[in-house]
Amino acid sequence: DAGVTQSPTHLIKTRGQHVTLRCSPISGHKSVSWYQQVLGQGPQFIFQYYEKEERGRGNFPDRFSARQFPNYSSELNVNALLLGDSALYLCASSSLGSGGYTFGSGTRLTVV
Amino acid sequence: SQQGEEDPQALSIQEGENATMNCSYKTSINNLQWYRQNSGRGLVHLILIRSNEREKHSGRLRVTLDTSKKSSSLLITASRAADTASYFCATDAPVSGAGSYQLTFGKGTKLSVIP
Repeated sequence: DAGVTQSPTHLIKTRGQHVTLRCSPISGHKSVSWYQQVLGQGPQFIFQYYEKEERGRGNFPDRFSARQFPNYSSELNVNALLLGDSALYLCASSSLGSGGYTFGSGTRLTVV
Repeated sequence: SQQGEEDPQALSIQEGENATMNCSYKTSINNLQWYRQNSGRGLVHLILIRSNEREKHSGRLRVTLDTSKKSSSLLITASRAADTASYFCATDAPVSGAGSYQLTFGKGTKLSVIP
């Protein structure tokens, strides 16, 4: 079985631009969560989606948005990029809303 | 905000020695999980301990949980060079009114195992 896949692996964007990150969960997993990990810190929760509905949102500005598709894949969108948005963005899937999570390898976003 | 705080921030040991990492947290939890991360890549789930459990083992890993002190420890026995990584504790707690759960991570312990 394929694990959680994220694309792209690396991305460089300019301040003010928009970015879309993609995540495909493990087959059969209906919950997808997004995390931001700044260098030297632990991951911070951004969103959780379960059965295509937003179930939780972390302390992030409205520039961050996400959605989950009928096949349970998900997109994270960030508008008006700031230098501080440079981070590793991690996607995690789980079969239920809680319990052990399987993380993807992440997308490293650099904003210049 | 970070809920869990790992201690120490960095740990360097010789191969074959045991490594102990501690984690403290602030609020009530459903469970506590430990993850490993190599070189800033994806997180690998190591072990989950539920709030009604006190100790759990998995291979060379031993995790304890003390909910009265809001603390947990991860013990890696007979360490290997391949155990070199960052280790994070994460508390899993319900999001108020949302019917979902959220992982809250600490800043991690950077473990170096010297061959």
